[in-house]
Amino acid sequence: DQQVKQNSPSLSVQEGRISILNCDYTNSMFDYFLWYKKYPAEGPTFLISISSIKDKNEDGRFTVFLNKSAKHLSLHIVPSQPGDSAVYFCAASAFRYKYIFGTGTRLKVLA
Amino acid sequence: DAGITQSPRHKVTETGTPVTLRCHQTENHRYMYWYRQDPGHGLRLIHYSYGVKDTDKGEVSDGYSVSRSKTEDFLLTLESATSSQTSVYFCAISDVTGKGTDTQYFGPGTRLTVL
Repeated sequence: DQQVKQNSPSLSVQEGRISILNCDYTNSMFDYFLWYKKYPAEGPTFLISISSIKDKNEDGRFTVFLNKSAKHLSLHIVPSQPGDSAVYFCAASAFRYKYIFGTGTRLKVLA
Repeated sequence: DAGITQSPRHKVTETGTPVTLRCHQTENHRYMYWYRQDPGHGLRLIHYSYGVKDTDKGEVSDGYSVSRSKTEDFLLTLESATSSQTSVYFCAISDVTGKGTDTQYFGPGTRLTVL
């Protein structure tokens, strides 16, 4: 039973346009969410987080939106750059010390 | 970058042999984790530790054991490796405070191949 789902395995976007990566979860106890970026042959690196008390969090080109009623979060990257090409994982937690990760979405930004 | 190292970075072994992977941190974080990454499955938690000698199972713990005798080291052992344990293994650390982002910081990974 996949509690955190990223239903799009891959996404291609033109450079300069918006990238939208989606994540759905099933456990209503989840109250803290993270996004990670992963390049090949490297460990995942933290991008941005959001708490369930918020519905939006911004950090530069990255914005995460949370829709609690739909159990859905999305990561927006604007404008997309070729260096953003990577695999993106969302993760959800009810206890902060233990996260459930999604299966990842591979983003390709085309120059 | 968080001070996390993993050794070895690459290993090829044969079915039935024991394998130990090491994670070392210099951040003095309380929590340490072992994940495996496989295509179509993302990152799955194997075991984690919340202090010296304190460990607990994750979602895919069968066939794995862990030990933490010092704050800075977390060992993952495959007692008798199987081909299904061929994967990339990541160590992560966290210092959960409830005040900051409480994120997990990942090591560079160990690619394990079991023939």
